[in-house]
Amino acid sequence: AQTVTQSQPEMSVQEAETVTLSCTYDTSESDYYLFWYKQPPSRQMILVIRQEAYKQQNATENRFSVNFQKAAKSFSLKISDSQLGDAAMYFCAYTRDDKIIFGKGTRLHILP
Amino acid sequence: DAGVIQSPRHEVTEMGQEVTLRCKPISGHNSLFWYRQTMMRGLELLIYFNNNVPIDDSGMPEDRFSAKMPNASFSTLKIQPSEPRDSAVYFCASSLTGTDTQYFGPGTRLTVL
Repeated sequence: AQTVTQSQPEMSVQEAETVTLSCTYDTSESDYYLFWYKQPPSRQMILVIRQEAYKQQNATENRFSVNFQKAAKSFSLKISDSQLGDAAMYFCAYTRDDKIIFGKGTRLHILP
Repeated sequence: DAGVIQSPRHEVTEMGQEVTLRCKPISGHNSLFWYRQTMMRGLELLIYFNNNVPIDDSGMPEDRFSAKMPNASFSTLKIQPSEPRDSAVYFCASSLTGTDTQYFGPGTRLTVL
C-alpha cells in the first residue's frame, strides 16, 4: 500500500515565481522524520530539506520551505523565486521502522 | 568526505550474465540501503543493512538477487543470472542510523540486453 502520496505527477512554474508541491503520508507513529529529495537530470538524489515531526516550526533552507501539518499528515514543499536549476523530480519521504518510505515523485518544469 | 561511491556507473551486459554492483558508504555510517529505480515502479527499496547485518530483504525481487556487506565500508548487489527486466538504475545510500538522512550514491545504470 502506498503510504506517501504526491498527487501532482507533473507541475510547471514560471522562472522567479513560487510553486508548492504537495505530499501526504500515513503513519501511526508520533516521532518520525520527513524529507524532500531532489533528483535532477543527472539522476543524483539530493536532500533538499528535512523536518523532525516533534518540531512544530517549519523547516527552511534558503528558497525552500515546508508547510508541515502533523494532524493532517501533510508535508508540502514551497520553492520561492524558482530558478532553472530547480527543474527536477522531487520526492517526498518519511521514516518508518528503520527505513525511509518514498513517494512516486513530482516532476517540476521551470519555464524561462 | 567523498560521499557514497558506487561502481560501475554504467553496466551493459547480456541476458544470463552475472552482474555485480559495488558500494562504499560514507565512513561512520551504520546503515546501508540498496534501491532500484525504474520509470514504471519508481524508487524501490531492495534491502538494507544495519551494522553490516541484513535487516530487511523483502524488496529483493527474486532469488537471482543477492546482497552482502562483508564490512562497514563495502557492499555488493549481485544479479545472477541477469534478465532484460532487471534494467534499471540501482542506487546505494547510507545513513548514520536507519532513521537518519540518507545520502545517495550516483547510481549504476544497468542495461541487460
